Amino acid sequence: QKEVEQNSGPLSVPEGAIASLNCTYSDRGSQSFFWYRQYSGKSPELIMFIYSNGDKEDGRFTAQLNKASQYVSLLIRDSQPSDSATYLCAVNIFPNAGNMLTFGGGTRLMVKP
Amino acid sequence: NAGVMQNPRHLVRRRGQEARLRCSPMKGHSHVYWYRQLPEEGLKFMVYLQKENIIDESGMPKERFSAEFPKEGPSILRIQQVVRGDSAAYFCASSRDTYEQYFGPGTRLTVT
Repeated sequence: QKEVEQNSGPLSVPEGAIASLNCTYSDRGSQSFFWYRQYSGKSPELIMFIYSNGDKEDGRFTAQLNKASQYVSLLIRDSQPSDSATYLCAVNIFPNAGNMLTFGGGTRLMVKP
Repeated sequence: NAGVMQNPRHLVRRRGQEARLRCSPMKGHSHVYWYRQLPEEGLKFMVYLQKENIIDESGMPKERFSAEFPKEGPSILRIQQVVRGDSAAYFCASSRDTYEQYFGPGTRLTVT
């Protein structure tokens, strides 16, 4: 069983729509959750992090965390073609024993004009 | 720009040569991490270092790979006797404490 799972996509949404990206994780001890955006051939860029249950909003981005369901999501409102990228979910599974991030395989998002 | 710096950005090595990848963390950051992204695969953790200490090397291959973060200068990821399977993008990340990690531009290693 993979520790962090994402649908590989591609997820295709029209410009201006809400894109919803999902991620599940296997370890209930996980405490820190991150979303990175990676354009093709580029490095991951941190766009959101969330540590507590509930919603966290930053501009057009909202991260949602439900620890009981072991589920974290990223909503992108008013999607733009420039949002087309691969979105990586990352989890700090053993924060007390180390600080490594475990990444999901990423979801490719395509925003069509 | 005080972002994470990595060099070289592209590195070509023949099989059997050594590769040295360098990483300077963001200003104010004392935690450094190395990750590898193989073609069409996800990002995998390799090693976590603080100044002069390896904190976690659970993701490092047992042979040929080593990392250091000396008191002065950048962190170095060293790959000895490279093989074609080492061709990948190697990313360094840094953090101020044990939370958000920011990535550098990466080094693309090609082994011919």
